[in-house]
Formats: sequence, C-alpha cells, structure tokens
Amino acid sequence: AQSVTQLDSQVPVFEEAPVELRCNYSSSVSVYLFWYVQYPNQGLQLLLKYLSGSTLVKGINGFEAEFNKSQTSFHLRKPSVHISDTAEYFCAVGATGFQKLVFGTGTRLLVSP
Amino acid sequence: DVKVTQSSRYLVKRTGEKVFLECVQDMDHENMFWYRQDPGLGLRLIYFSYDVKMKEKGDIPEGYSVSREKKERFSLILESASTNQTSMYLCASSFEEQPQHFGDGTRLSIL
Repeated sequence: AQSVTQLDSQVPVFEEAPVELRCNYSSSVSVYLFWYVQYPNQGLQLLLKYLSGSTLVKGINGFEAEFNKSQTSFHLRKPSVHISDTAEYFCAVGATGFQKLVFGTGTRLLVSP
Repeated sequence: DVKVTQSSRYLVKRTGEKVFLECVQDMDHENMFWYRQDPGLGLRLIYFSYDVKMKEKGDIPEGYSVSREKKERFSLILESASTNQTSMYLCASSFEEQPQHFGDGTRLSIL
C-alpha cells in the first residue's frame, strides 16, 4: 500500500520569491509520482509526473520536481512565483499497473504582492 | 481544447433521494474516474471505468454506483442520499491509468 504526506498545509510567499512544496511518500513497490494544481473554484490539473528515468521532472507553468528515492520525497519547486500561482497543490502516488492513486491532503500556496 | 464537463456546479438534494451526477469528456479517453474531495482528506477515489460498461470500485464505493453506457459519459449515482455524502465531487478522464483532466467539480449538499 502507498501513502503520501504533504508536510505543509499552507505556504505563504511573496511574489517573485522561490518556493518549495514538500511531499514524502511511502511505498513497498516502485512508484509513480504526480503533482496536481487546483485553482479556486476549479478542478485539478496535472502539473507534472514522474514515471521513470531522469529524477528531475519539469512541468507546466515553470514548476519542477525532483524524485529522491533515498529520502522518499518528491518536492515541488518554482524559482520565482507569480500571484497567479495562488492555488492548492496536491501530491499523489501510484504503483505500476492500473492502480489507484493516493492523494495527499494538499498544500495551499498563497502568493502576495 | 480538452474538456471534462460536469453537469452541475452546485446541487442541493434531500436525504433519501436518488441523485445523479453526470460527467462528459470530449477527448475519446478510455479511462474515467469519480472522486470526492473533503477538507483535510484530499481526494478519494469512488469508482473508475476503463471501458464502456466496465467499472471498478475505488477506495470508498459504499453508497454509490456508476454507469458507463457510452465512452464519453460516466455517471455517478447516489442510491439513497445521506448527509455524510455532502461533498465536492470531481470527475476525471485520461488515456493513462491515472487521471489527467478533471472537471470543475459539483458541490453537492444533502439536507
């Protein structure tokens, strides 16, 4: 079974500052890892995913994440955030095959001027 | 542009009613999903479907059923609505085994 922990429920940051949203996972098998973003009053949108290969994954809107197997982490980063990045971000873990994703409880990113 | 459309943004129903939530996707995806989203719990999978007339239970299927008569449409049914089914419901679709595109959600209140 898999589980995922998002360590911060809320991250406030100023515009143009860098940000890191933390995600740790637990699994006994090889995993797929995902980050989704949910803008206010909207559904989720896939930001990026790690299936295999390079541990640094680039996604949409300038976000990237690094898979660290030894630390069982998949932290999301952006070097310079915009006001429009204000949203809730969900980390998710799944195993190989047609398996169900397990979502974290979400991190609310609040970007202020 | 990719589109997953949920029929209602807001819905209010009474305890014991049979409730239908509709979802339509225009991307010819084989796989469709229904999640519920609750504060502090993240998203939890109710059911998914990998083909027409095929369905699989997710983590919390109790009190729900689904229907996939056509590839583009995936319906969630609350057989007899209860107050603990008040939630945000999200439909998603994908070519892959994990959801990629989500609808904007239906906020369902059961009174």
